[in-house]
Amino acid sequence: AQSVTQLDSHVSVSEGTPVLLRCNYSSSYSPSLFWYVQHPNKGLQLLLKYTSAATLVKGINGFEAEFKKSETSFHLTKPSAHMSDAAEYFCVVSDRNSSASKIIFGSGTRLSIRP
Amino acid sequence: SQTIHQWPATLVQPVGSPLSLECTVEGTSNPNLYWYRQAAGRGLQLLFYSVGIGQISSEVPQNLSASRPQDRQFILSSKKLLLSDSGFYLCAWNRWGRRQYTDTQYFGPGTRLTVL
Repeated sequence: AQSVTQLDSHVSVSEGTPVLLRCNYSSSYSPSLFWYVQHPNKGLQLLLKYTSAATLVKGINGFEAEFKKSETSFHLTKPSAHMSDAAEYFCVVSDRNSSASKIIFGSGTRLSIRP
Repeated sequence: SQTIHQWPATLVQPVGSPLSLECTVEGTSNPNLYWYRQAAGRGLQLLFYSVGIGQISSEVPQNLSASRPQDRQFILSSKKLLLSDSGFYLCAWNRWGRRQYTDTQYFGPGTRLTVL
């Protein structure tokens, strides 16, 4: 069975400091892993995606994530936060060998940026 | 390129009234289509998904229903809305398990539904 856990419901950082949003997953097969961002009253936008190629994945807006199989983690990072990064972030796991419904969303992490 | 549309963008409805939300996809054929609901301050809940015309799978029992009358059209309906139906409704598509496969989901802009 698949599952995904976002370890922090809310993260607050100062502008210009690093961002770390944590995600742990559980999957029986070869997972695809995603990070999406959602600004208020907007749809979800794909930030980046891992599908068994390079373990360090670079996404849009300076974000990147590293797939660590031994730790079953896929944490999202950014070296320097910008005010426009304030949003809700979702970690997602899917099983490429399973059915269309096996796409599991984390509960989300709200990122706040302090001036 | 592919685009996904949802309408209306916002909707305020009284309890007990009917509902119809529409989602259409352009630029791709035979997509998998999904309806999600996002309650205030919470994650996404998968409501329905569809792998083809007339094929609907329900993930959560409730007073909502979904239909897919055309390949790229997905409709979410209710005969009588409840207060608990308030939320942000998102439509998404991908091409999981098909030719030109992608498991990445692409989301529409969402519909904000308030039931009073």
